[in-house]
Amino acid sequence: QSALTQPASVSGSPGQSITISCTGTSNDIGPYKFVSWYQQHPGKAPKLIIYEVTNRPSGVSDRFSGSKSDNTASLTISGLQPEDEADYYCTSYTTSRTWVFGGGTKVTVL
Amino acid sequence: VQLVETGGGSVEPGGSLRLSCATSGLPFRDYYMSWIRQAPGKGLQWLSYISSSGTTIYYADSARGRFTISRDNAKNSLYLQMNSLRAEDTAVYYCVTVIRGEYFLHWGQGTLVTVSS
Repeated sequence: QSALTQPASVSGSPGQSITISCTGTSNDIGPYKFVSWYQQHPGKAPKLIIYEVTNRPSGVSDRFSGSKSDNTASLTISGLQPEDEADYYCTSYTTSRTWVFGGGTKVTVL
Repeated sequence: VQLVETGGGSVEPGGSLRLSCATSGLPFRDYYMSWIRQAPGKGLQWLSYISSSGTTIYYADSARGRFTISRDNAKNSLYLQMNSLRAEDTAVYYCVTVIRGEYFLHWGQGTLVTVSS
């Protein structure tokens, strides 16, 4: 159950767009639309921001969007804002009936 | 919706702990549930899943054989029995709802487990 691969950090200036990649395998991201993304601020519990690759829960800003191609999923944050500074995690259901997370990406707003 | 984990604390290597998660504001018996943990300064790690009836259970390799997930739908509660604890089990443990068996929607505030001699 190897972790999904995410960049350790991504940064951008306010108003810019950034993209976080999440690379898995044909045993997790590849066969399913079960990729979700979570935002975690320091000292807080994670919060769901994207599910089923592209869907946003009610109340989540439309500045967050998701996509997937083959074994790689991506999270794009458009119009970067100071409150977007946080850790972001991807996860996928796997063919082994388990879930695997990415290592997390720290987003810094410059 | 509220999920409140309790039962964390300090334990010596080889010891046991039982975590509980009390839920409110949702029809607990209709929800799939999971436990997820986060070691200090590290990422998230899924540990275990239980179906709404409790008949289907999955474990991560790191939990299988040492941890046991269970639920009591009459008490709206989820549990994690942890045995043979190791230093690397030190983490904040989160109780979460699993929607459609796919993604994690509601999270508790977490309970800290520290394994140290």
